[in-house]
Amino acid sequence: DAKTTQPNSMESNEEEPVHLPCNHSTISGTDYIHWYRQLPSQGPEYVIHGLTSNVNNRMASLAIAEDRKSSTLILHRATLRDAAVYYCIRGSSNTGKLIFGQGTTLQVKP
Amino acid sequence: NAGVMQNPRHLVRRRGQEARLRCSPMKGHSHVYWYRQLPEEGLKFMVYLQKENIIDESGMPKERFSAEFPKEGPSILRIQQVVRGDSAAYFCASSPGLGVDADTQYFGPGTRLTVL
Repeated sequence: DAKTTQPNSMESNEEEPVHLPCNHSTISGTDYIHWYRQLPSQGPEYVIHGLTSNVNNRMASLAIAEDRKSSTLILHRATLRDAAVYYCIRGSSNTGKLIFGQGTTLQVKP
Repeated sequence: NAGVMQNPRHLVRRRGQEARLRCSPMKGHSHVYWYRQLPEEGLKFMVYLQKENIIDESGMPKERFSAEFPKEGPSILRIQQVVRGDSAAYFCASSPGLGVDADTQYFGPGTRLTVL
């Protein structure tokens, strides 16, 4: 049980921002929110993670709701290379393992 | 800093043979994880190891599968007497285990096992 809910698929136009939502209404206070993505025929790639505050890195931004029951991964300018399956995962440092759901398949149109 | 390395990238075995998949974690990482992705399915956790110890093997099939992470050398995922249903992509990940990004997992390119 991944315990997160994401839309199955989303579409975006190239060079436009993309907001990928994730619901994790049963998240515990110590669970981090991780985002990974998997490009076709490749291994998963770490994107970003956070606990309570919004986070930014060179790949994306993570906006976490104040009640932590949902979060949004933001790609500021989608490129064709961003087409992938994006996984939102809640993780506890006590368990180590990542439980992947079905993720959101992002299509980027030129 | 080289990333997680896995070899072979592709492995073909006949039913009943053994498959050995190797994973070298990122430099400085002491935690290794194995995941399996069956065709058209999601990634499933198999096992979590630290040097010389199995921490969590709750995702490992009860028979024919074993994993190790010795003090020296790569982590090995071993599948004995392979069957067609073992055909999948096997991904290894590593994490530092310490510091701010202690639990951030970095994945290798995977080994694609085909059982004939």
